[in-house]
Amino acid sequence: SQTIHQWPATLVQPVGSPLSLECTVEGTSNPNLYWYRQAAGRGLQLLFYSVGIGQISSEVPQNLSASRPQDRQFILSSKKLLLSDSGFYLCAWSVSGEAFFGQGTRLTVV
Amino acid sequence: GENVEQHPSTLSVQEGDSAVIKCTYSDSASNYFPWYKQELGKRPQLIIDIRSNVGEKKDQRIAVTLNKTAKHFSLHITETQPEDSAVYFCAATLWGNEKLTFGTGTRLTIIP
Repeated sequence: SQTIHQWPATLVQPVGSPLSLECTVEGTSNPNLYWYRQAAGRGLQLLFYSVGIGQISSEVPQNLSASRPQDRQFILSSKKLLLSDSGFYLCAWSVSGEAFFGQGTRLTVV
Repeated sequence: GENVEQHPSTLSVQEGDSAVIKCTYSDSASNYFPWYKQELGKRPQLIIDIRSNVGEKKDQRIAVTLNKTAKHFSLHITETQPEDSAVYFCAATLWGNEKLTFGTGTRLTIIP
């Protein structure tokens, strides 16, 4: 069966520090991979999606970037965090429509 | 691209009553409409989905209806229970497409 791993579960980082969140998927090949952000009490905002290694599409201009160095690995990064980057970050994978989410990372920028 | 609107943003119902959440979508090509439930602090999880070749689908106390002509679909929860309290998201996409567009979510509270 397919599983998705996302870490860390919680993270507190100072403003201006770098960020790296990692997500890996097991049990499937060539999945579509996604990074979503959810601000407190808000909906799911799609940040990036990838249909293959090295292929990244950005949905909104922002302080973040994404990379897919391997088929089942998706990384969300920032060189310098802003206060507004705080939120709940969710990685997800899909094959033909249905999405499966990771446990999420609650990021607090202080 | 697809745009999904979801109403209401918050909903409180008495335990045992029914709850209805409605979504509209803009892209007539969309043919797959899943619903996700997100409990506090947890990941969204699929609870039911419907494809455009059917108008209604039921799974115990949960049902989803789809009106392709009007481009709207709804989630119905009957005999609500406290564990139904959560945020519910609708979504729409073209099956096989790489992007799933979500609604803004509905916070459902079941009052004991």
